[in-house]
Amino acid sequence: DTGVSQNPRHKITKRGQNVTFRCDPISEHNRLYWYRQTLGQGPEFLTYFQNEAQLEKSRLLSDRFSAERPKGSFSTLEIQRTEQGDSAMYLCASSFRDGTEAFFGQGTRLTVV
Amino acid sequence: AQSVSQHNHHVILSEAASLELGCNYSYGGTVNLFWYVQYPGQHLQLLLKYFSGDPLVKGIKGFEAEFIKSKFSFNLRKPSVQWSDTAEYFCAVNGGTSGTYKYIFGTGTRLKVLA
Repeated sequence: DTGVSQNPRHKITKRGQNVTFRCDPISEHNRLYWYRQTLGQGPEFLTYFQNEAQLEKSRLLSDRFSAERPKGSFSTLEIQRTEQGDSAMYLCASSFRDGTEAFFGQGTRLTVV
Repeated sequence: AQSVSQHNHHVILSEAASLELGCNYSYGGTVNLFWYVQYPGQHLQLLLKYFSGDPLVKGIKGFEAEFIKSKFSFNLRKPSVQWSDTAEYFCAVNGGTSGTYKYIFGTGTRLKVLA
């Protein structure tokens, strides 16, 4: 499968623990995006990268959240000191530099207990 | 602030009925417009997109959408829905005067088609 791959698919963690998610984009894509989706809502933008540069971060992204894309390929999203409000589906997408169609992964469902 | 509004949150139709889902955006400048679909248990997939040219765009599975610049709208239509169209539909926008390439999504419309 040459689509966007996200791991793990599901993560259950205790409040206060740190979690890290990985996204492998489509290999030719320069841009990589992270979104969060909760029930009944559309995907909310968190951050995006062009190659290894993080170009924009949402104000939704508190200082507990950090994302990296060290070599311009895969990306990681880390949440420190998780809270119950962090429970959501975390989506990764990638696209070419021209901002045309974004391809989405299956997402990582985070449950904080 | 840039935003996308989808007015219909839940729609229930019988098979063969016609569908129109509304989408309005708040953006200045040139925009790119998208409709994504999420079938139960699956990831978001592109249904259709508009960048420029003919404001009536055709997508997969018989869907089409019309861009009306004066109304800041990009409504999705299908003449005759099928049970397999049961899914959640999201309108999205990028571009605008800020030139951002992040995609801004609406809250989605959950469509249920009764067999």
